[in-house]
Amino acid sequence: EAQVTQNPRYLITVTGKKLTVTCSQNMNHEYMSWYRQDPGLGLRQIYYSMNVEVTDKGDVPEGYKVSRKEKRNFPLILESPSPNQTSLYFCASRANGGIWTDTQYFGPGTRLTVL
Amino acid sequence: GQQVMQIPQYQHVQEGEDFTTYCNSSTTLSNIQWYKQRPGGHPVFLIQLVKSGEVKKQKRLTFQFGEAKKNSSLHITATQTTDVGTYFCAGKYSGTASKLTFGTGTRLQVTL
Repeated sequence: EAQVTQNPRYLITVTGKKLTVTCSQNMNHEYMSWYRQDPGLGLRQIYYSMNVEVTDKGDVPEGYKVSRKEKRNFPLILESPSPNQTSLYFCASRANGGIWTDTQYFGPGTRLTVL
Repeated sequence: GQQVMQIPQYQHVQEGEDFTTYCNSSTTLSNIQWYKQRPGGHPVFLIQLVKSGEVKKQKRLTFQFGEAKKNSSLHITATQTTDVGTYFCAGKYSGTASKLTFGTGTRLQVTL
């Protein structure tokens, strides 16, 4: 089954404790992206990756890091989480191929609480 | 910066009534996508519009892309309780090949 998986699904942590949220897709997609969703603000892009070893900032990259060492995985790293990073996080992937193949598949989400 | 405004934020309808949500951009879009997110779920891709003036239908859903490619709408005819959720538009701008800018979403509540 084609899917995007994220782990963990729920996480409560404390300020400053480094954490990683994993994302994996089995569709051989080149493009992967991270979003955060906050009430009233919709989905905001954090980072994206066009392909292995190629990453770029989205709209709200501060406080986050990513890496893309393999095509299928795109982990999101919070080196020193703060309470304002409490949010619902979604990973997404799609194929590269111009504007005609932009169907984006989202993972189930990770609800993060930073105390 | 580039923004996609979406209205209304929330709409409550009786089952069988119609529903429309609108997206507007101050600058021309390359294309626009629509997603649905059920309560507690993740966004699910519905459709992509690319051409000026394009109209696409999916059963009771009608999607339009404006002539100037700055606005779009999603219209649901005769809503059902299964339509409950938040509907997002997401626009792509020329020169930003990999970036989708999401609207803030319209939450639809349908009651019997």
